[in-house]
Amino acid sequence: DVKVTQSSRYLVKRTGEKVFLECVQDMDHENMFWYRQDPGLGLRLIYFSYDVKMKEKGDIPEGYSVSREKKERFSLILESASTNQTSMYLCASSPPATRMFSYTFGSGTRLTIV
Amino acid sequence: SQQGEEDPQALSIQEGENATMNCSYKTSINNLQWYRQNSGRGLVHLILIRSNEREKHSGRLRVTLDTSKKSSSLLITASRAADTASYFCATADGGGFKTIFGAGTRLFVKA
Repeated sequence: DVKVTQSSRYLVKRTGEKVFLECVQDMDHENMFWYRQDPGLGLRLIYFSYDVKMKEKGDIPEGYSVSREKKERFSLILESASTNQTSMYLCASSPPATRMFSYTFGSGTRLTIV
Repeated sequence: SQQGEEDPQALSIQEGENATMNCSYKTSINNLQWYRQNSGRGLVHLILIRSNEREKHSGRLRVTLDTSKKSSSLLITASRAADTASYFCATADGGGFKTIFGAGTRLFVKA
């Protein structure tokens, strides 16, 4: 069964910490995405990557960075965590744009910054 | 601003009834997708309808697309308690990188 795996379901970190969220997919997908989900705001795109070592800013990249050293892994980094980054973080992957556009999502990481 | 906006924000129905959710969007699209999210989990892709299609079925799901009105609807027939979830529409441009999700409709099906 193909899947996208996020390393943690729940995470609690302190303000100012550097936080790493990991995402791994086993579908050989070229595209990977990081979203955050907040009540009433839907999903907002933070960063995406369409190839190894490639990254593009989404709609809300401030305070975040990403790393994609291998095709199957896409990491989201909170450089200095702040309380307004408390949220549900969702990773997704998809095939190239020339094929079906549907996304496969991970189960999400609920991150709390205290 | 959100590209896809669902209506209603929340819906409560009895088991066996049909549930209809609507989605409106603002710009031209390549396709529109519907996803489901169980509480506290990731989203699961349900169905994709391309801009040149008007209706699509998958099991108890029926999706319509009206590009002239920039709107779509998702119909779940003969709903079950297990259909309780949030449902999101998402629209994609031609490049496929800017898939934009709406805020979702929360569906509650009472047994």
